[in-house]
Amino acid sequence: GAVVSQHPSRVICKSGTSVKIECRSLDFQATTMFWYRQFPKKSLMLMATSNEGSKATYEQGVEKDKFLINHASLTLSTLTVTSAHPEDSSFYICSAREDGSYEQYFGPGTRLTVT
Amino acid sequence: LAKTTQPISMDSYEGQEVNITCSHNNIATNDYITWYQQFPSQGPRFIIQGYKTKVTNEVASLFIPADRKSSTLSLPRVSLSDTAVYYCLVGEHASGGSYIPTFGRGTSLIVHP
Repeated sequence: GAVVSQHPSRVICKSGTSVKIECRSLDFQATTMFWYRQFPKKSLMLMATSNEGSKATYEQGVEKDKFLINHASLTLSTLTVTSAHPEDSSFYICSAREDGSYEQYFGPGTRLTVT
Repeated sequence: LAKTTQPISMDSYEGQEVNITCSHNNIATNDYITWYQQFPSQGPRFIIQGYKTKVTNEVASLFIPADRKSSTLSLPRVSLSDTAVYYCLVGEHASGGSYIPTFGRGTSLIVHP
């Protein structure tokens, strides 16, 4: 099946710095990708929908200036957590849907720890 | 989006059949039902999807009654490795559409030896 990768798998950064997380669809093209955040023992919470070639659509309560999303190509979306704080520590997961398909493919997730 | 309700947790034993039921009373005509499995610190994995009646694949079966207000994921002869969280999602068929997977609380299944 289709594969979605994320890089890095885990990252530790200091408070105030920015961190970029990459999401790639390895063997298919994805006009739309999604970014989720998951806290321990909680469900996935949709943060934003990433659209290739246009601005991302953010869910209510998600700060677009803090979580910068760029979808520069049909196989790559990036999430940048700017000026990270300890409360941004979480598990970030992306997903992608191949154009014309109904099945969502999820990445393995990125564990962010802000110290 | 149709809201889903699942049991928070379930316990089972190796070799047993496990049935997890999801309620989705306000499912729309164009909505499909999709189940995902998630292990700790991993992304969700697609299990099965259906619209009505019964769907079966190599890992699970999905039973959907005629009114489609609920669905049941059936896992035959579970093993310890089936311990995971299972999510039921309902949304419009996404072939070229705008379906956005929205996750409910999920069911934490623990399989005991």
